[in-house]
Amino acid sequence: DAKTTQPPSMDCAEGRAANLPCNHSTISGNEYVYWYRQIHSQGPQYIIHGLKNNETNEMASLIITEDRKSSTLILPHATLRDTAVYYCIVRPSGYALNFGKGTSLLVTP
Amino acid sequence: DAGVIQSPRHEVTEMGQEVTLRCKPISGHDYLFWYRQTMMRGLELLIYFNNNVPIDDSGMPEDRFSAKMPNASFSTLKIQPSEPRDSAVYFCASSSPGGRRSNQPQHFGDGTRLSIL
Repeated sequence: DAKTTQPPSMDCAEGRAANLPCNHSTISGNEYVYWYRQIHSQGPQYIIHGLKNNETNEMASLIITEDRKSSTLILPHATLRDTAVYYCIVRPSGYALNFGKGTSLLVTP
Repeated sequence: DAGVIQSPRHEVTEMGQEVTLRCKPISGHDYLFWYRQTMMRGLELLIYFNNNVPIDDSGMPEDRFSAKMPNASFSTLKIQPSEPRDSAVYFCASSSPGGRRSNQPQHFGDGTRLSIL
């Protein structure tokens, strides 16, 4: 598995964009970048994933660098309900996810 | 659409008792995963199935743990005998791998919070 590196914690003001970085310098060509989040005491929630192109959905945007060695998850207008632990995971399609420690995002009023 | 359904939501039992956790995956999904989450070890994969067949059980801690998937809509994770160190939140997730240019993500249930006294 490609190893990912995320900052342990970040803060963001409510209403501002939250930009969560992830380094995955050993990513292989067939490995996808997945982002999940876990709000306290709930199951992990899928946010977005991509292979090499940037992706956007109703929750977030995923920006993957051209060399695919890093990515950024963008929550365009963070709310208090976005406070959670965010996991960046790199895996081939169809394989189990290997959760690391993630980034604990605190959105403040 | 109904998501992944796990039962029970909470289970408290005494050491030595048998514990059975249940999971109903999303209809049409052909992958099913069991994870365990503790403060010390975080989220870790225990076992996963594809088309009801166990593919990788290397994460199962020991022989006290067993998992089955008798059909596409039901899976169980059993602990016998249970020990206090088995206390954790157990999550079930399901997914379909999708086509070559895309793939479907894993969707998680709300988990079973297990406490072994």
